[in-house]
This record gives sequence, C-alpha cells and structure tokens, in this order.
Amino acid sequence: QLQLQESGPGLVKPSETLSLTCTVSGASVSDSDYYWVWIRQSPGKGLEWIGSIYYGGSTYYNPSLKSRVTISVDKSKNQFSLRLSSVTAADTAVFYCARRGLTAIPSWGQGTLVTVSS
Amino acid sequence: DIVLTQSPLFLPVTPGESASISCRSSQSLLFSNGYHYLDWYLQKPGQSPQLLIYLGSNRASGVPDRFSGSGSGTEFTLKISRVEAEDVGVYYCKQALHNPLTFGGGTKVEI
Repeated sequence: QLQLQESGPGLVKPSETLSLTCTVSGASVSDSDYYWVWIRQSPGKGLEWIGSIYYGGSTYYNPSLKSRVTISVDKSKNQFSLRLSSVTAADTAVFYCARRGLTAIPSWGQGTLVTVSS
Repeated sequence: DIVLTQSPLFLPVTPGESASISCRSSQSLLFSNGYHYLDWYLQKPGQSPQLLIYLGSNRASGVPDRFSGSGSGTEFTLKISRVEAEDVGVYYCKQALHNPLTFGGGTKVEI
C-alpha cells in the first residue's frame, strides 16, 4: 500500500530556504505512470499546488512560486524533495506531498506544518 | 490560470437529506479525449484531502455511492445523497486541464 511521509524542519527563519522531503513506500518514484506533487495549505485557507515532477525529471511549477521553487527526485532513496527559497511569513503552511495520476490525486501524505518566523 | 468558484461557501446539512455543491470554471475543462479534467476532494477535520470523484463523474476507489459528480464544460456539481455525519468537512473541486493545477475555494459542510 502506498504511503507518503513528509519530513523536514517545522520552523524556518524569514529569507531562508525551506526544505522538505517526501519518503515514498509501497511504490517507486521511478514509476512512469505518475507525477509526484507538492501542495500547500496556509492556515485556515484553501489548497495551492506548488509543483510536480515526473519520473524522467521533468518539472512543472506554479508560476506564482516558480522563481523560488525546486522539486527534485532521489531515486536511490525513493524520495522526492521541495526547496522554497527566500521564505516569508506568507509561506507558513501545511505542506503535503502526494502522487498524481493522469489528472487526480488519490494519494496524499499526512502533511507537515512549516512555520516561518524569526 | 483557470479559476474555480465554488458555491455555497457554507452548507448546513441534515443527516439523511441530500446536498449539492457547485463548481464553476473560468474555462471549459473538456479535454480532447472527451473527459472533463475536474476532480472533487473532501478534507475531513484534521486530515489530508481525500479523492472522491475524478474526471468529473467517476467515483474513486472505496467512495460510497451516495457521492456523485456531474456536469460539463464549465459547470460541475457534487451531490451527496443521504448525508451522513462522517461527511462533514471541506469539499474542494480541482482542475487538471492546464498548469497550474488550481482548486476551488472550498465548501464547508456541517451537520
């Protein structure tokens, strides 16, 4: 059964880089049928797609974040990662990693709260 | 970006009755393969979102048949027949026709 688990610091200082990792079990990040996705949810707000990475390494980013976002895959560890640079308090959110098929996102991690504060 | 507008924002429901949520898109979500790239998700309190409906009208695995999706073009509806207490939470529609993927603002369903 597929499981996704986010990990990383829960507190990041303003202007620094947020780094999160999603560990995948029960499936391979090399599977050609899926995209690996990061989504965030600011406190009390809705859902925002950050970006996706395909097994071959192709990445797709939300234009609103594109200049600050990098998503990468580590096939040896069966993980994929998110880096968000120059963070501000507006980046405080619960970050979800997920797996997307053709269109839908049936599998989500439990989410991890990242607070941006000095 | 494709904008998804959900209504209502808040929906009080009575167990056993039906409920409907609307999702209106700023562009048609019909792909050339004949499918509409519109999904529905439910985020129960304290949980991650869970997929309910994909490609406009297909129930995801394990989703009770009291949930149904319909619509075409730019207008979509999620219907919950015979609402149960476990159906409370925030419902989101999402489009995957064009990047960036976008979500509706959510509809909070409460008993």
